[in-house]
Amino acid sequence: ETGVTQSPTHLIKTRGQQVTLRCSSQSGHNTVSWYQQALGQGPQFIFQYYREEENGRGNFPPRFSGLQFPNYSSELNVNALELDDSALYLCASSLVWGVEGDTQYFGPGTRLTVL
Amino acid sequence: GNSVTQMEGPVTLSEEAFLTINCTYTATGYPSLFWYVQYPGEGLQLLLKATKADDKGSNKGFEATYRKETTSFHLEKGSVQVSDSAVYFCALPRAQKLVFGQGTRLTINP
Repeated sequence: ETGVTQSPTHLIKTRGQQVTLRCSSQSGHNTVSWYQQALGQGPQFIFQYYREEENGRGNFPPRFSGLQFPNYSSELNVNALELDDSALYLCASSLVWGVEGDTQYFGPGTRLTVL
Repeated sequence: GNSVTQMEGPVTLSEEAFLTINCTYTATGYPSLFWYVQYPGEGLQLLLKATKADDKGSNKGFEATYRKETTSFHLEKGSVQVSDSAVYFCALPRAQKLVFGQGTRLTINP
């Protein structure tokens, strides 16, 4: 069974640029969630995708957008990068959200640094 | 809405000491409860979970019991090792997402 994978591992960008982060969900999982974890903080929910549709969004501006593909992999896109976007971005996959007791499995994360 | 409050760290212990990290929750109904661990430079790993009241989750010597009377899900380990040094997060679901505590940084000295 393949776990959640993310790419790239690290990324350095400058303010105003755009970035795309990628995630492959765990085998058999059809739901992908993205979280932002600032240094020393707990993860904050960005959004979730289920069957290629956005299925919930946290308190993040529209310049954070995403996609989910038919194979359930996902992308997180961030436009007009700001210094505060520097963080660890975590992807998590799950089988079906809404079933009590379901669990989200996290990837290793992408460390984004905005200069 | 559902939320968790986690004891503040950092926590520093000697090897083989007993560990408790407190977590209390506020929730509608009886959601599943989770502990995740984050080792330095890594993502989150599921450590254990409990799905109903009085359930005990356990893994790698860690245990936590879902106590509805005290709305708590404290993490315990009888004898910690240096390799347990990490940040520990208590979490529960709210709608589509997981809501995390602020995390407790644990350092174990040899």
